[in-house]
Amino acid sequence: QVQLVQSGAEVKKPGASVKVSCKASGYTFTSYGISWVRQAPGQGLEWMGWISAYNGNTNYAQKLQGRVTMTTDTSTSTAYMELRSLRSDDTAVYYCARRMGVAGRFDYWGQGTLVTVSS
Amino acid sequence: DIQLTQSPSFLSASVGDRVTITCRASQGISSYLAWYQQKPGKAPKLLIYAASTLQSGVPSRFSGSGSGTEFTLTISSLQPEDFATYYCQQLNSFGGGTKVEIK
Repeated sequence: QVQLVQSGAEVKKPGASVKVSCKASGYTFTSYGISWVRQAPGQGLEWMGWISAYNGNTNYAQKLQGRVTMTTDTSTSTAYMELRSLRSDDTAVYYCARRMGVAGRFDYWGQGTLVTVSS
Repeated sequence: DIQLTQSPSFLSASVGDRVTITCRASQGISSYLAWYQQKPGKAPKLLIYAASTLQSGVPSRFSGSGSGTEFTLTISSLQPEDFATYYCQQLNSFGGGTKVEIK
């Protein structure tokens, strides 16, 4: 069965970086893209960006351009999301999700990783 | 980017009620719309894609309709496990969410 398993919770200071991993199993990793979505406490869902696991092409949300980098390691079927220059408003649960279809629906999700930014 | 506006943002309903949630797109998106259900502390779950196609394993009381700029998610008979927050999504955009609570 398809599974996306994310790395554990992180606590970071403002200005630091965080790298969250998302290990995929149960399907051919390079046949789908991976998107990252975050959710601040008590807020809605925010799309952060997408990476093709086939060729590494990326598309990032404009507001995060320059601070976020998404990568994949096809040898381990793992996707990564690194966010730099962390601020308190980056505190959120970060999800990876498998993207499929023309409209880019997200059919499988990771369990989420809480990133807390606090001094 | 396309903006998605959901209404209402909150609704109170009883078990057995018929519930309808609306999602409006800032420009036409054909039928490229998905709906998700999210319960507290859990990842979102895909309910419907391509505006009206039920994801495998989702109960038939959920249905979706619409195309262009206006879409609806309908729950025909609300069950206790349906109390949750619902989001629409198209490519890089999510709606603001609709929280369905028990009356």
